[in-house]
Amino acid sequence: NAGVMQNPRHLVRRRGQEARLRCSPMKGHSHVYWYRQLPEEGLKFMVYLQKENIIDESGMPKERFSAEFPKEGPSILRIQQVVRGDSAAYFCASSPVGRYEQYFGPGTRLTVT
Amino acid sequence: DQQVKQNSPSLSVQEGRISILNCDYTNSMFDYFLWYKKYPAEGPTFLISISSIKDKNEDGRFTVFLNKSAKHLSLHIVPSQPGDSAVYFCAASANTGNQFYFGTGTSLTVIP
Repeated sequence: NAGVMQNPRHLVRRRGQEARLRCSPMKGHSHVYWYRQLPEEGLKFMVYLQKENIIDESGMPKERFSAEFPKEGPSILRIQQVVRGDSAAYFCASSPVGRYEQYFGPGTRLTVT
Repeated sequence: DQQVKQNSPSLSVQEGRISILNCDYTNSMFDYFLWYKKYPAEGPTFLISISSIKDKNEDGRFTVFLNKSAKHLSLHIVPSQPGDSAVYFCAASANTGNQFYFGTGTSLTVIP
């Protein structure tokens, strides 16, 4: 059973460009979460999605950030017009229905130059 | 506002001894707690969890203790092994949602 997949593992963008981060949850998991880890900090919750629904986006910045989890395909975290402060590790996690444990992917390390 | 705190950024322990990692929280609504282990350049790996109806949960060398009145939990690793060297995060959630609040992590080094 493959784990949570994230791609790309490393992404370099210039200021003002768009970043698209992808996450494929574990097989059988219908809940997806995105977290951001800034250097020297813990993981900060961004958004919780189920298929075609955003359940909780209380941790998402109000501008430039969006997330989706379509009926088919991976979950996408999209950052428009990136700035240097967006440089961080972005982790995706998934969980099955009825369980609290979240299983994390390897992360995407975004560097904005 | 850091609702989950790990006040020790690092810990060194001799191989074979007990490692005790601590975590404090401020939100009395938290009722589910998890510990994760993280190696560099990898995602966190789930270790062990505990719900607020228990005060102890054990899985092999790992035991988590919960003291609700003190809003404190700890992870005990016995015996510690060099492969346990990693950053350990505690996380907490309130039953009303699936959002987990993470501490800032404790870097454990087990010395052979």
